[in-house]
Amino acid sequence: GDSVTQMEGPVTLSEEAFLTINCTYTATGYPSLFWYVQYPGEGLQLLLKATKADDKGSNKGFEATYRKETTSFHLEKGSVQVSDSAVYFCALFDDYKLSFGAGTTVTVRA
Amino acid sequence: DAGITQSPRHKVTETGTPVTLRCHQTENHRYMYWYRQDPGHGLRLIHYSYGVKDTDKGEVSDGYSVSRSKTEDFLLTLESATSSQTSVYFCAIRPDTGELFFGEGSRLTVL
Repeated sequence: GDSVTQMEGPVTLSEEAFLTINCTYTATGYPSLFWYVQYPGEGLQLLLKATKADDKGSNKGFEATYRKETTSFHLEKGSVQVSDSAVYFCALFDDYKLSFGAGTTVTVRA
Repeated sequence: DAGITQSPRHKVTETGTPVTLRCHQTENHRYMYWYRQDPGHGLRLIHYSYGVKDTDKGEVSDGYSVSRSKTEDFLLTLESATSSQTSVYFCAIRPDTGELFFGEGSRLTVL
């Protein structure tokens, strides 16, 4: 079935560093792709989404581009802050449900 | 605020006891979901509902049952809790735009 694979963490960065979290997917069709973020002790929040090839989702300085040729949806941010410390999940929507990657824990140090 | 609440938020129970978690929405969305979150596994789908009395299994449904007698409520029941069901459980709702909105989670510990 359809699935996503994201880079393992944890990832530790200094403030203002560049962040990339890799995500690749396997799907028979062209699913919608999402990034969710989970701050400590909270539920998951939608960070951004893309519904078709070459779409770029963006929010709060984060970006991800839906690349059909490489089946990827990598998350990037040019200058992270301590408040970006969280767990990030890549997800794929197929027919009726979201399938999630295992999550990547990001810690940003001041 | 996505208009979704879960109860209880925390529960400790003993092996073999029944447990029911409740998810309540104020958005009138057709689709509702129960996921569990465990380290290293991300979120895995337990059951979902596509309308009143319409439910189906997800990838980790063994040991769980669900019911949806009203649009706004989706109940998850563990008939006889086991230690392997210690987890954080998330309910989600899905509007027509496709993305899911999650509740704040219910942390269940089975001793």
